Amino acid sequence: EAQVTQNPRYLITVTGKKLTVTCSQNMNHEYMSWYRQDPGLGLRQIYYSMNVEVTDKGDVPEGYKVSRKEKRNFPLILESPSPNQTSLYFCASSRSGDRPQIYGYTFGSGTRLTVV
Amino acid sequence: GDSVTQMEGPVTLSEEAFLTINCTYTATGYPSLFWYVQYPGEGLQLLLKATKADDKGSNKGFEATYRKETTSFHLEKGSVQVSDSAVYFCALSLPSGTYKYIFGTGTRLKVLA
Repeated sequence: EAQVTQNPRYLITVTGKKLTVTCSQNMNHEYMSWYRQDPGLGLRQIYYSMNVEVTDKGDVPEGYKVSRKEKRNFPLILESPSPNQTSLYFCASSRSGDRPQIYGYTFGSGTRLTVV
Repeated sequence: GDSVTQMEGPVTLSEEAFLTINCTYTATGYPSLFWYVQYPGEGLQLLLKATKADDKGSNKGFEATYRKETTSFHLEKGSVQVSDSAVYFCALSLPSGTYKYIFGTGTRLKVLA
């Protein structure tokens, strides 16, 4: 089954304790992205990657890091989490091609992160 | 700047009622337009899309038409079911290979039996 897999689904952590949220896709998609979803704000893009070793900032990158060493994986790293990073996080992927804007995303099931 | 505006929710309807969720956009060029649905506890799923003006996207009884003259992409369904209860997101993606997607804030739909 074609899917984007995120882990963990739920995570409670303390301020300053480094954590990684994993994301993996099995569709051979070139493009991957991380979003956070907050009430009243919709989805905001954190980072994206157009292919292996190519990453760039989205709209709200502060406090986050990513890496893309393999095509299928795109982990999100919070080096020193703070309470304002409490949110619902989604990984998504999309195929590329000549007109990448027409395909739409496949989303993971989400990671609910609470930083206390 | 580029943006997507959706009607405020929640929208509460009785089963078999007609649904309209409004979506308007502001964008340079000719974006592609999407509706995503998010069921409780799940990620977003692509519901339908339209990639050029006057295109109609449809899926699972839902429809939306890309109206360039009114910059709108309203979601409609003739007869909703309890199982349609979810949050619906309108989104656009910008052309020129930027991969940039802009999402609306979402509209919660609750359908009562």
